[in-house]
Amino acid sequence: DAGVIQSPRHEVTEMGQEVTLRCKPISGHNSLFWYRQTMMRGLELLIYFNNNVPIDDSGMPEDRFSAKMPNASFSTLKIQPSEPRDSAVYFCASSFRTGGIEQYFGPGTRLTVT
Amino acid sequence: SQQGEEDPQALSIQEGENATMNCSYKTSINNLQWYRQNSGRGLVHLILIRSNEREKHSGRLRVTLDTSKKSSSLLITASRAADTASYFCATDAGAQKLVFGQGTRLTINP
Repeated sequence: DAGVIQSPRHEVTEMGQEVTLRCKPISGHNSLFWYRQTMMRGLELLIYFNNNVPIDDSGMPEDRFSAKMPNASFSTLKIQPSEPRDSAVYFCASSFRTGGIEQYFGPGTRLTVT
Repeated sequence: SQQGEEDPQALSIQEGENATMNCSYKTSINNLQWYRQNSGRGLVHLILIRSNEREKHSGRLRVTLDTSKKSSSLLITASRAADTASYFCATDAGAQKLVFGQGTRLTINP
């Protein structure tokens, strides 16, 4: 199994540009999570899906952030427009179901907004 | 806000020594998990302990859970250079999501 796949691994963009991060969960997993990690705030849960349906997006910082999961094998996190304070490492994780079991993390996307 | 708080924030020990990290949390939980993160990588699950368990072992790892004190500890015995990483506790409070602490940065000196 290839594990959780994220792309791109690194993204450098200018303030105001649209950024799209992509995630392919482990085959057979039906729960998907998007996290953001910074030195100041640690690891924050942004949104999670169960069976492709968004369950809790209370962690999404503001309307500039949106996430979709059009099918069981693909999800995107979009930031439009991006701002320097969005600079962080964004992780995608998947699991067999929500709650109570281990999550499998991707390698992350390091986003730098200048 | 973070549910789990790890202590210490950073720990540096000599190879071969044991490393102990602690985690405190605020609300009742269903289970508690520990994860490791190597520099520049994603988190990797290490061990899960349920609320009705007090101790669990996995190789050189030993986890304890004290629900009365709302705390857990992770012990790594006979540490190796490869154990250098950040370690996070994560709590499952029944809301179908994990809440991670800020982590302990462990450095094993050769």
